[in-house]
Amino acid sequence: DTAVSQTPKYLVTQMGNDKSIKCEQNLGHDTMYWYKQDSKKFLKIMFSYNNKELIINETVPNRFSPKSPDKAHLNLHINSLELGDSAVYFCASSPLAGGPKETQYFGPGTRLLVL
Amino acid sequence: TQLLEQSPQFLSIQEGENLTVYCNSSSVFSSLQWYRQEPGEGPVLLVTVVTGGEVKKLKRLTFQFGDARKDSSLHITAAQPGDTGLYLCAGSSNDYKLSFGAGTTVTVRA
Repeated sequence: DTAVSQTPKYLVTQMGNDKSIKCEQNLGHDTMYWYKQDSKKFLKIMFSYNNKELIINETVPNRFSPKSPDKAHLNLHINSLELGDSAVYFCASSPLAGGPKETQYFGPGTRLLVL
Repeated sequence: TQLLEQSPQFLSIQEGENLTVYCNSSSVFSSLQWYRQEPGEGPVLLVTVVTGGEVKKLKRLTFQFGDARKDSSLHITAAQPGDTGLYLCAGSSNDYKLSFGAGTTVTVRA
């Protein structure tokens, strides 16, 4: 059984295009996250949703818009893709509100390459 | 933004040797976690430490949280090729955000 799944796994697209990445968790968790991992492996939080409500919104360009239709899904839409958006995007989930002691469960990542 | 610095950035050792990875910050954390990430996959939690001075052991892995809760270390005894991966420390304070270090890439040669 896949706990946190993401689609697609690979995404290659041209600069200026709009694309979406989907994430689903079947763990019954309340909180979901989007992270960006750059080429130097640095992992940075972008957004967090708790029961469909946005609770963390880091300094991310407005071109990135998360959407949570229900607590098991968190999608990420990116408008007007730029070269610097190339990275691996990870979805994660945690059981409750994402407190300091909670385990985050990560998906396998979506490798985005903008040409 | 709370900055976590990991050292070394890269570590390559022979099977059977010991290694230590360090995670340091000027900030105090409520808890500190260690994750391991293998190529093509997402990070997987190894341990969470919450008390200053705490030491946790997971088979051949020993994790220590500094007394002031600003730093941590991961020690692997008798490393095996299966220990190869990217080791990430992540700290959390009361804002419920995880701040990750840049990671240490460990390669254990057979």
